[in-house]
Amino acid sequence: KAGVTQTPRYLIKTRGQQVTLSCSPISGHRSVSWYQQTPGQGLQFLFEYFSETQRNKGNFPGRFSGRQFSNSRSEMNVSTLELGDSALYLCASNPGGNRVNTEAFFGQGTRLTVV
Amino acid sequence: QKEVEQDPGPLSVPEGAIVSLNCTYSNSAFQYFMWYRQYSRKGPELLMYTYSSGNKEDGRFTAQVDKSSKYISLFIRDSQPSDSATYLCAMANQAGTALIFGKGTTLSVSS
Repeated sequence: KAGVTQTPRYLIKTRGQQVTLSCSPISGHRSVSWYQQTPGQGLQFLFEYFSETQRNKGNFPGRFSGRQFSNSRSEMNVSTLELGDSALYLCASNPGGNRVNTEAFFGQGTRLTVV
Repeated sequence: QKEVEQDPGPLSVPEGAIVSLNCTYSNSAFQYFMWYRQYSRKGPELLMYTYSSGNKEDGRFTAQVDKSSKYISLFIRDSQPSDSATYLCAMANQAGTALIFGKGTTLSVSS
């Protein structure tokens, strides 16, 4: 079974630009969560999507947004990039439904550098 | 106070040692407790998952949860160089759609 695929693996963007990251979950998984990982703050929850609906959202500004498609693939977008947005962005795939997202399978992440 | 506290280490031990990794938390609503392992340049990998209090064993790994003390532990027996990684604790409440992570403890096992 293929794992969680995140693209691209690395990105370099300039302040003020916007960026879109993509995540393909494990086949059959309907829940996709996004996390930001930085050395200072660790792993922080951004949002979670299930069946194309956002079920939960973390404490991030509105510049961070996401969506999920009917095939469960998900994208997250960050607009008006700031230097502090430099981080590893991780996508987690979970069967979803009524099951608690405790069996999250993570992708390798997208390393975003804002210059 | 952060919801989940975890000593970042680094923790260095010789091969074969017993390793103890710990997290404390403040939110009594947490019901699900996980341990992830993250190798450099990789995503976190789920090691163990426990619901509520108690112990769980899987091979060389044992997870313990003490909800009365708001304290969780991961023990690694007979540690191997391949165990060298960052270990992250994570927790979730009954709704469970968001995982709250500790900052991770970096472990190095020398041969």
